[in-house]
Amino acid sequence: DTAVSQTPKYLVTQMGNDKSIKCEQNLGHDTMYWYKQDSKKFLKIMFSYNNKELIINETVPNRFSPKSPDKAHLNLHINSLELGDSAVYFCASSQGAMGTANEKLFFGSGTQLSVL
Amino acid sequence: KQEVTQIPAALSVPEGENLVLNCSFTDSAIYNLQWFRQDPGKGLTSLLLIQSSQREQTSGRLNASLDKSSGRSTLYIAASQPGDSATYLCAVRRSSNTGKLIFGQGTTLQVKP
Repeated sequence: DTAVSQTPKYLVTQMGNDKSIKCEQNLGHDTMYWYKQDSKKFLKIMFSYNNKELIINETVPNRFSPKSPDKAHLNLHINSLELGDSAVYFCASSQGAMGTANEKLFFGSGTQLSVL
Repeated sequence: KQEVTQIPAALSVPEGENLVLNCSFTDSAIYNLQWFRQDPGKGLTSLLLIQSSQREQTSGRLNASLDKSSGRSTLYIAASQPGDSATYLCAVRRSSNTGKLIFGQGTTLQVKP
């Protein structure tokens, strides 16, 4: 069984559209994250939720809105997509919050977003 | 500002060799450091996590060391196998409890049969 699953794996869309990426973890973890990996392969955190509460919101445009209906799910909605949003987006989870001994991260397989 | 650098960017070795991957960071005030493996088209897999109070962690053929004072970590892979071919990333957690994970750009390893 996949521990952290995100869908879709590939997403190709036009500029200006609104799209969502879903993430679910079946590990019973309390903390979930969204990371963005750009074309230069740098991974940067976007958001972190602990028990459905937002605890990290990096400098991300307001067009990106995470939603956590429960602690096993963290979805990412993106409004008015731009060319620069093209990247691979990774969902991740950890048992504990960042800075704790249980912060070992488990990643999903990524969603490759291409904005045309 | 914390910066994480990994050298070399790419490495190719014959099967069976022992090898060392390097990671350096500019700010020694870290909470912990993690090594990840990324396979093409897949997510990251956490390999080893070293707390700032620790000097090394071992898992199977992998050994990661941490020298905070010099801002360095190494990932030692013993008896490399073709299945070890992947990109290896290190990431540091800043010292504050709300610190984010800062990733290096990775070292892409190819182990040739």
